[in-house]
Amino acid sequence: AQKITQTQPGMFVQEKEAVTLDCTYDTSDPSYGLFWYKQPSSGEMIFLIYQGSYDQQNATEGRYSLNFQKARKSANLVISASQLGDSAMYFCAMWDTGGFKTIFGAGTRLFVKA
Amino acid sequence: DGGITQSPKYLFRKEGQNVTLSCEQNLNHDAMYWYRQDPGQGLRLIYYSQIVNDFQKGDIAEGYSVSREKKESFPLTVTSAQKNPTAFYLCASSIVGRMNTEAFFGQGTRLTVV
Repeated sequence: AQKITQTQPGMFVQEKEAVTLDCTYDTSDPSYGLFWYKQPSSGEMIFLIYQGSYDQQNATEGRYSLNFQKARKSANLVISASQLGDSAMYFCAMWDTGGFKTIFGAGTRLFVKA
Repeated sequence: DGGITQSPKYLFRKEGQNVTLSCEQNLNHDAMYWYRQDPGQGLRLIYYSQIVNDFQKGDIAEGYSVSREKKESFPLTVTSAQKNPTAFYLCASSIVGRMNTEAFFGQGTRLTVV
């Protein structure tokens, strides 16, 4: 069965600094997709970035980049130049090819300090 | 504007009552999902549907029921058999069977048992 693990329940970062949120995954499928979502205190889920297992380069979207290390089965999210508005829960997720659904990790709460 | 609408935003249920959470999307997505989120936790899949008139149980389907009579609508009923229904419920939709497409989420419904 596929599984997503996020081992950091909470992280603190100083405004304008970079921060890395960890995500490891487990799958036996050679083809898979990985996602990161942001959940502010209001509750909605906001898609941030996607990485496919066959993508040769790490995905980037503005201040977000994904440090994809396939051999280690890790897909860490890097947020550069943190802003106060980045304070939120962040979820790593994987597309389950067997069940045609998305599975989520437990999440990491990020606190950005002024 | 295309998106997913969940209603109500807040819902209170008395012990032994059934309540129905609404989810409507105008994104023309075939797949729709219901997730439950407990405080500080990740998302757990309740039910999902890939096509009209068909749906599958997720990881925590007991005490819940769904219907998919229209492509746009995927209501969730929390029955009296669900012993601990207080949680945040998120509805999502996506293009079915596509590994590289993200899920789009509604704003959520916060259900409280009183």
